[in-house]
Amino acid sequence: QVQLVESGGGVVQPGRSLRLSCAASGFTFSSYGMHWVRQAPGKGLEWVAVTSYDGSDKYYVDSVKGRFTISRDSSKNTLYLQMNSLRPDDTAVYYCAKDGSPYHSGIDVWGQGTTVTVSS
Amino acid sequence: QSVLTQPPSASGTPGQRVTISCSGGSSNIGSNAVRWYQHLPGTAPKLLIYTNTQRPSGVPDRFSGSKSGTSASLAISGLQSEDEADYYCAAWDDSLNGWVFGGGTKLTVL
Repeated sequence: QVQLVESGGGVVQPGRSLRLSCAASGFTFSSYGMHWVRQAPGKGLEWVAVTSYDGSDKYYVDSVKGRFTISRDSSKNTLYLQMNSLRPDDTAVYYCAKDGSPYHSGIDVWGQGTTVTVSS
Repeated sequence: QSVLTQPPSASGTPGQRVTISCSGGSSNIGSNAVRWYQHLPGTAPKLLIYTNTQRPSGVPDRFSGSKSGTSASLAISGLQSEDEADYYCAAWDDSLNGWVFGGGTKLTVL
């Protein structure tokens, strides 16, 4: 079955960087788009970014443009989120999620999430 | 403020039918398909409905979706205690070039 396991979360100071990873298994990783979605404490789900199956198309929510970069390594079946210039309002549980298509038709499977806390 | 608008809460008694609304605009629900997700705190969200009305295999037919114009709805019939969770609608937004979620609706089974 499809499994998505996030890692790399932790506590980081404002202005610093962090890289999240998502190990995928149970499906042909190189054939599907992949997303990151986050949930701040006490808030709802917020979509962060998506990459197409081959990494050629990427989209971001405005609040992270220029600071976050989504990427993928199909040789390792792994999705990444490089987060730079972190701010306290980036504090959230970050979910890795699989799209139902090679592009961005919508999320069909989610991981369990990894927690990022931005605080001095 | 979320792009898609949902009521913050809904409730019902076991066996009842409840409906959760999701209101958007021409650039999102009005021109793209809607998905619904169920989220229990501390767990991975789960896809309930895709392409407005379709259920993935394994989702009970108690859950149904509909869409009209720039609004969508999720209906849950034969309410059960295990349905107590947060529910989110989502759609691609052509103006923002990204996915947008509703603010979420917390369903309580009384």
